[in-house]
Amino acid sequence: GDSVTQMEGPVTLSEEAFLTINCTYTATGYPSLFWYVQYPGEGLQLLLKATKADDKGSNKGFEATYRKETTSFHLEKGSVQVSDSAVYFCALSDWGRDDKIIFGKGTRLHILP
Amino acid sequence: NAGVTQTPKFQVLKTGQSMTLQCAQDMNHNSMYWYRQDPGMGLRLIYYSASEGTTDKGEVPNGYNVSRLNKREFSLRLESAAPSQTSVYFCASSEEGGGTGELFFGEGSRLTVL
Repeated sequence: GDSVTQMEGPVTLSEEAFLTINCTYTATGYPSLFWYVQYPGEGLQLLLKATKADDKGSNKGFEATYRKETTSFHLEKGSVQVSDSAVYFCALSDWGRDDKIIFGKGTRLHILP
Repeated sequence: NAGVTQTPKFQVLKTGQSMTLQCAQDMNHNSMYWYRQDPGMGLRLIYYSASEGTTDKGEVPNGYNVSRLNKREFSLRLESAAPSQTSVYFCASSEEGGGTGELFFGEGSRLTVL
């Protein structure tokens, strides 16, 4: 079945460092890909998405490009801030097959001032 | 601007007790979901409802039942709670199901089973 694999955390960086969180997926169809973020004590919220190959999703300085050839959707940010400390989830949805969204296990990010 | 509302936010149960988690959304969404979140396991889908009157099993449905009471409400019931069901539970909704990918989540319900 469909699945999402993302790098294990926690990831600890200093403020203004470059961030990459790796995500790869397995899907039989043509999935849409997403990054969700969960701040402490809150539910998840959508950070960005891409619905087809080579699309780039972006939001709040974060970017991710849908790479079909490598089945990847890595999250990047050029200069992280303390306020980016959160748990990040990669997810996929196989549009047209069912209504399920499959999440990765999450990567906890700590940004040090 | 309520969005998705879950109750209760915290609950402690003894093994064998029953309870229902309530979820309501005010965005007129068709699809609703129940997930559980456990350390190191991420989010796992328990049940979902693609539309009013329909429900389907997710990845970990055993020990749970659901009811899609109407378009707004989707409840999760534990008939006989077990310590393995200690978790944080999230309800979510979506306008068009998995295709758009934009799930709107509640704040979560932390359940402890002793």
